[in-house]
Amino acid sequence: AQSVTQLGSHVSVSEGALVLLRCNYSSSVPPYLFWYVQYPNQGLQLLLKYTSAATLVKGINDFEAEFKKSETSFHLTKPSAHMSDAAEYFCAVSEYGSYKLIFGSGTRLLVRP
Amino acid sequence: DTGVSQNPRHKITKRGQNVTFRCDPISEHNRLYWYRQTLGQGPEFLTYFQNEAQLEKSRLLSDRFSAERPKGSFSTLEIQRTEQGDSAMYLCASSLERQLQETQYFGPGTRLLVL
Repeated sequence: AQSVTQLGSHVSVSEGALVLLRCNYSSSVPPYLFWYVQYPNQGLQLLLKYTSAATLVKGINDFEAEFKKSETSFHLTKPSAHMSDAAEYFCAVSEYGSYKLIFGSGTRLLVRP
Repeated sequence: DTGVSQNPRHKITKRGQNVTFRCDPISEHNRLYWYRQTLGQGPEFLTYFQNEAQLEKSRLLSDRFSAERPKGSFSTLEIQRTEQGDSAMYLCASSLERQLQETQYFGPGTRLLVL
């Protein structure tokens, strides 16, 4: 069965520093991969998704993620953190032809002034 | 595009009571999903509709849970004889069927607390 592992339930960075949130998936077939962000009292918002078109995916708010098949990883990065980036981030996977998303347990990003 | 809406946003109930939640998807979306999210965890898939047909139910969905999408538009999720373990955020999402993996758009959720 598909699974997603997000290393680090909490990540703290200074404003302006690099953001790196880790995601590894288990699949023998390259899946579709997603990053969602959840702000307090709001629904999940899609940041970006990988659908095999390009291994480096750019999303909203200067976030990007790189699909690395050899490492079964899809880490999320942003060059410079803003205070407004503080939120919970979820990595999700779905298999080709499937409709359901399988989520990781999430990483809460804290941004220090 | 008004987005996915869910009502109520919060529900407090006593153990043993029945509750019903409503989800209104984005108007042209033919797929609708329910997920459950507990504290400190990511959302877990519960069930999925394509138009009015319920095509899959997770093993997480016990027989106390029932979901409907009567006319292929809004959906309801009912929990009968609620238990404290049902306390969670219930999320609804919708998508438009495409050849490539479509994007699921999520509503704000209904937070249930069972006392």
